[in-house]
Amino acid sequence: GAVVSQHPSWVICKSGTSVKIECRSLDFQATTMFWYRQFPKQSLMLMATSNEGSKATYEQGVEKDKFLINHASLTLSTLTVTSAHPEDSSFYICSATGQASNYGYTFGSGTRLTVV
Amino acid sequence: KQEVTQIPAALSVPEGENLVLNCSFTDSAIYNLQWFRQDPGKGLTSLLLIQSSQREQTSGRLNASLDKSSGRSTLYIAASQPGDSATYLCAVSQSGGSYIPTFGRGTSLIVHP
Repeated sequence: GAVVSQHPSWVICKSGTSVKIECRSLDFQATTMFWYRQFPKQSLMLMATSNEGSKATYEQGVEKDKFLINHASLTLSTLTVTSAHPEDSSFYICSATGQASNYGYTFGSGTRLTVV
Repeated sequence: KQEVTQIPAALSVPEGENLVLNCSFTDSAIYNLQWFRQDPGKGLTSLLLIQSSQREQTSGRLNASLDKSSGRSTLYIAASQPGDSATYLCAVSQSGGSYIPTFGRGTSLIVHP
């Protein structure tokens, strides 16, 4: 079945530094990848949608200069949290789909970011 | 705008019970509906995917049904086990658009021995 690998699974960083999270589709070509943020006991909040080779489409209220998304290939998308602050601490999850979404969505295992 | 509601928000049952988790959506023009499981601090694991033309899907002890006209889906878990304890999320993808799924807030399930 479709597998999406997300790294790192957890990261602690100092305030003001940048953190990069990787999302890879291991056995399929991900034409579209999604980045979500999840707060404790809340559902997933879509941050942005990225298509390979195109600029990401950000949801309203998400700062694109703070959350840089790159989808340079059909198997890799990255989310960089720039100049991180404690309020950026959260659980970030990526998702990927191939072809039309007939195949459904496959999720990564998530990244727990803690900014101190 | 599609809205997805899951009932109940939380459920605690003894091992062995048969369970029904509910998902309702406001716009019936969907492309597909997917049920996921999320363990604490983990990503989402896909359980069942139902296309808009299908009525149900089964996998092991899990059965998901879809009634587009009434905007409802149910996830049936037979003979529940402690290992089924997790949060179950329902996601609906819209047709005629970007297919981006809309998630419900989930049902938190605890199955105690």
